[in-house]
Amino acid sequence: NAGVTQTPKFQVLKTGQSMTLQCAQDMNHNSMYWYRQDPGMGLRLIYYSASEGTTDKGEVPNGYNVSRLNKREFSLRLESAAPSQTSVYFCASRESSQPQHFGDGTRLSIL
Amino acid sequence: KQEVTQIPAALSVPEGENLVLNCSFTDSAIYNLQWFRQDPGKGLTSLLLIQSSQREQTSGRLNASLDKSSGRSTLYIAASQPGDSATYLCAVRQRSGSARQLTFGSGTQLTVLP
Repeated sequence: NAGVTQTPKFQVLKTGQSMTLQCAQDMNHNSMYWYRQDPGMGLRLIYYSASEGTTDKGEVPNGYNVSRLNKREFSLRLESAAPSQTSVYFCASRESSQPQHFGDGTRLSIL
Repeated sequence: KQEVTQIPAALSVPEGENLVLNCSFTDSAIYNLQWFRQDPGKGLTSLLLIQSSQREQTSGRLNASLDKSSGRSTLYIAASQPGDSATYLCAVRQRSGSARQLTFGSGTQLTVLP
């Protein structure tokens, strides 16, 4: 079972460049999430999608946009990357009151 | 705003020891609490989920307790093994708000020495 798949696994960008992080889940979950993880700070929610066709801001949405393309896919876009966005990004999905399932993360460095 | 704290940030124990990891939260109006394990370079794996109406959950050598009134949870690991070495994170889900967002602690990095 693939679960939650994130691409790419690693990426290096220059300041000002744009890119899209991809996430897909094969568990037919309604809710999907994007987090960033920084040293000593735990995971912080960037955006989430409670169901197909809806998206909402989380704790740290500035500098990011998201698209819930269909029930399976939820992408995160950086329009103009900044060094402060260097982080590990995790996508997750869940259904109802069940635990969240996480992808293996995208390690993003912005120079 | 909910805040989740995990102490200690790092813990090193010899193999075979029983140990307790601590998690505290400031807002007791939670829907549930989860414990996750994170291996280096990997995502999070859910270990135990305790609903707000429950006091504890057990899975194998793991036991998680919840005291909502005092804002505390503990993860007990019995007979620790080197394979238990990882970072353990707790997270709480609030009762209010859309999608009932998770708030994470910053984790306890556990090393079990052979």
